[in-house]
Amino acid sequence: NAGVTQTPKFRVLKTGQSMTLLCAQDMNHEYMYWYRQDPGMGLRLIHYSVGEGTTAKGEVPDGYNVSRLKKQNFLLGLESAAPSQTSVYFCASRWTGNTEAFFGQGTRLTVV
Amino acid sequence: GDSVTQMEGPVTLSEEAFLTINCTYTATGYPSLFWYVQYPGEGLQLLLKATKADDKGSNKGFEATYRKETTSFHLEKGSVQVSDSAVYFCALSDSYEGAQKLVFGQGTRLTINP
Repeated sequence: NAGVTQTPKFRVLKTGQSMTLLCAQDMNHEYMYWYRQDPGMGLRLIHYSVGEGTTAKGEVPDGYNVSRLKKQNFLLGLESAAPSQTSVYFCASRWTGNTEAFFGQGTRLTVV
Repeated sequence: GDSVTQMEGPVTLSEEAFLTINCTYTATGYPSLFWYVQYPGEGLQLLLKATKADDKGSNKGFEATYRKETTSFHLEKGSVQVSDSAVYFCALSDSYEGAQKLVFGQGTRLTINP
């Protein structure tokens, strides 16, 4: 019962470096999401996907790209990391819009 | 666009006190409403939900009623325990956009003292 797995759990990047965060779910969910969590800001939606091969922008998409080449995986990329992208990133998945979302454990990213 | 507003935190209560965390929303269509809870160092997990007006969601002693007339979904518990200490998030999915997005409020940190 893995559920939603995020890789890595922690990462420190230098300004300008790139990286990819991986989200994998084993529940055959259609919808997948990437959020960032900052103190006092709650969860803000970065990008989301409603099915394999589809992606859409959320509330704060700038500086991030995503891909959903396989239904079970949703990748979040940072092409040129900035200190403002220091945050905790959460991935979530669910069947449809009215159903429960399942979250990963989070990735703590620090950009120095 | 859609939005969720929660009461300002943090909230500190004594054990066995009554809890209310206010949540109001703005939506274009007809949303489903959720409360999620986040324990320290963990991801969010669903606490309860309601999908239509006047529905009451309940779980682990927590309750919330979908009030369309006041666009609210306040979380309540009659007697809180130390183990309820966590961050609580109100969220919605709006039917207007096919309920694709899941939008969260800013979260309310709850601390229960013994």
